[in-house]
Formats: sequence, C-alpha cells, structure tokens
Amino acid sequence: EVQLVESGGGLIQTGGSLRLSCAASGFTFGRFWMHWVRQAPGKGLIWVSRINHDGSESRYADSVRGRFTISRDNAKNTIYLQMSSLRVEDTAVYYCVRDYGYSGNNLWHKYYDFWGQGALVTVSS
Amino acid sequence: QSVLTQPPSVSGAPGQRVTISCTGSSSNIGAGYDVHWYQQLPGTAPKVLIYASTNRPSGVPDRFSGSRSGTSASLDITGLQAEDEADYYCQSHDGSLSGVVFGGGTKLTVL
Repeated sequence: EVQLVESGGGLIQTGGSLRLSCAASGFTFGRFWMHWVRQAPGKGLIWVSRINHDGSESRYADSVRGRFTISRDNAKNTIYLQMSSLRVEDTAVYYCVRDYGYSGNNLWHKYYDFWGQGALVTVSS
Repeated sequence: QSVLTQPPSVSGAPGQRVTISCTGSSSNIGAGYDVHWYQQLPGTAPKVLIYASTNRPSGVPDRFSGSRSGTSASLDITGLQAEDEADYYCQSHDGSLSGVVFGGGTKLTVL
C-alpha cells in the first residue's frame, strides 16, 4: 500500500524557517518524481515545487523560488521542503504528492496519483 | 486567478446529474494535455477521481465520468449521493508555463 506521511508543520513567525518531511512507503521511491502542493485555508490547490527521481533537478513556483528548497534522500525514502523567510501568505496545508507521468499524443502528461494527509504550516505576524 | 477556470459552485438533488466544467486555453487543454480530476471531501486530502481525461481509478464508481473537447473538459456525476458533497479540482499541464496547473475548484452541494 502506497503511503505518504508528512511531518514538520507548525506555527512559525514571519521570517522564520521550517522543514517539512514526507516519508514514503509501499513503492519503489527512487523511480518517481515527487511534488509539494499547498492549499491555503479555504482556498484551492497550488503547485509549489517538484524534484526528479534522483534529486538532480528541481523546480519552484515563482512565489517560493529563492526561499524554499526541495530535496530528497532515496536511501530514506523521504523528500523534504526547507522553507525560509516565511511569509503570512505561506500559511497553508502542504501536501506531498507522487507524480505519475505517461506519454500520449507526443506529449508528456502527469497527474498526482497519491497524496499525503497534509502538514499545516501557520505563519504568524 | 487560476489558469484553468471552474465554476465556484454547483448543486443538485439526490439522484440528479451535475456537470462541472474546466476551461483552459491553447497552451494547456487545447494543446492536447490530458485533464485530471480530484475530489476533496471535507477535512481530507484530495484524491484522484478521473485521470487522463476519461479514466477512473479502481474503486471510483462509474457514476463519475470525464470528457475533454477543444480547450475544455467536463466532469459528470450522475445519480448524485449525499457523500458526493465535496470540492472538485481539475488539473492539467501548461506548455507555456512548463508546469502543472489547477482549476480554482468547484464546491458541489447535494441539496
């Protein structure tokens, strides 16, 4: 059974730092790209960051680039999101998600086939 | 402002049918990228409901179906049940943005 379990959320003041972890199990972790998606209270889903299967490539949303760093440890089946210079607008539930990619019509498609339960990050001024 | 546009809310009585639209553009759905739908029950994480525009993961009732045409996609729910009350999100890929994009979400209320 695939499981993604986030940890590390909490209450932090603006300008502070926090590291989220996501422990994966039930699948061959090193074969999959992984992402972080966040959801502010009462709002929709927003993509935050992604990392490729071996950690050699990562990308970020404009809103977090330069402040957040995604990484992974395939030996521990875990991904991380190091968040710094936190802002009130970073307050959200952060979901760790598995990327399922496939090709079709000469395009590469992807969707999120498994989600963690989420980690709440609250940034207070 | 989401790249994919969904109605904020839809509603229907038990047993009825509702449709949730997801409108994109020539750089995402119109470019041929598949659309995927997620259901988020109150207080829980989203789960995939429809993938690759029309496919249901195992365990998803056939009351849920998806379609895609041009720059839009739709999620149809027939035989509405109380437990279908949830938020629904569409997702695709945008070639211009080179990344995953979501719709703003639609709240389904079962009357």
